Amino acid sequence: NAGVTQTPKFQVLKTGQSMTLQCAQDMNHNSMYWYRQDPGMGLRLIYYSASEGTTDKGEVPNGYNVSRLNKREFSLRLESAAPSQTSVYFCASSTDGNSNYGYTFGSGTRLTVV
Amino acid sequence: DQQVKQNSPSLSVQEGRISILNCDYTNSMFDYFLWYKKYPAEGPTFLISISSIKDKNEDGRFTVFLNKSAKHLSLHIVPSQPGDSAVYFCAASGGGYNKLIFGAGTRLAVHP
Repeated sequence: NAGVTQTPKFQVLKTGQSMTLQCAQDMNHNSMYWYRQDPGMGLRLIYYSASEGTTDKGEVPNGYNVSRLNKREFSLRLESAAPSQTSVYFCASSTDGNSNYGYTFGSGTRLTVV
Repeated sequence: DQQVKQNSPSLSVQEGRISILNCDYTNSMFDYFLWYKKYPAEGPTFLISISSIKDKNEDGRFTVFLNKSAKHLSLHIVPSQPGDSAVYFCAASGGGYNKLIFGAGTRLAVHP
């Protein structure tokens, strides 16, 4: 089915290790987002890309970097993982960044940093 | 400071009865509100939305009510079904190209 694909689904990292979370969408959407979900905190925006070639910080960008590789792909990188980055990460996309139409989410990556 | 608040972490309802999920917001610039539903091990999926120019929007068993003066919205599910058991997130935006702000979620359990 068309939609947003995230890899990997699960990952355990040691403190200080680095990794990249991959996200790809096949809906020809212009805008893409990375959120993290923590208990009692809801979904918080880490970074977003309004269009290919642009990226901007969201609410909680510290400790992360992103790359909008092309229109389809938007990756999230943890350069030096910390236990506070243990979370479930969701990638999302939307047609043109207009939030009134809602976002399409991937199924998430559950990351544990020990 | 959370701009979108869902103060009830959980709700339990009997099958066939009404489920009412509540959401409060603090930012008067928000003008569009959405509800998302999330099952375990899946991403959130869009459920229903409402513009601030309306006070009610209905889609089948789901109705969202907006009270702008109280900065409060609610999602009504009638009748509730076991398949409705999920976490429900309220989200808001300043309209157009502003990013969605999510609440903490309410876990709904519908039991037979």
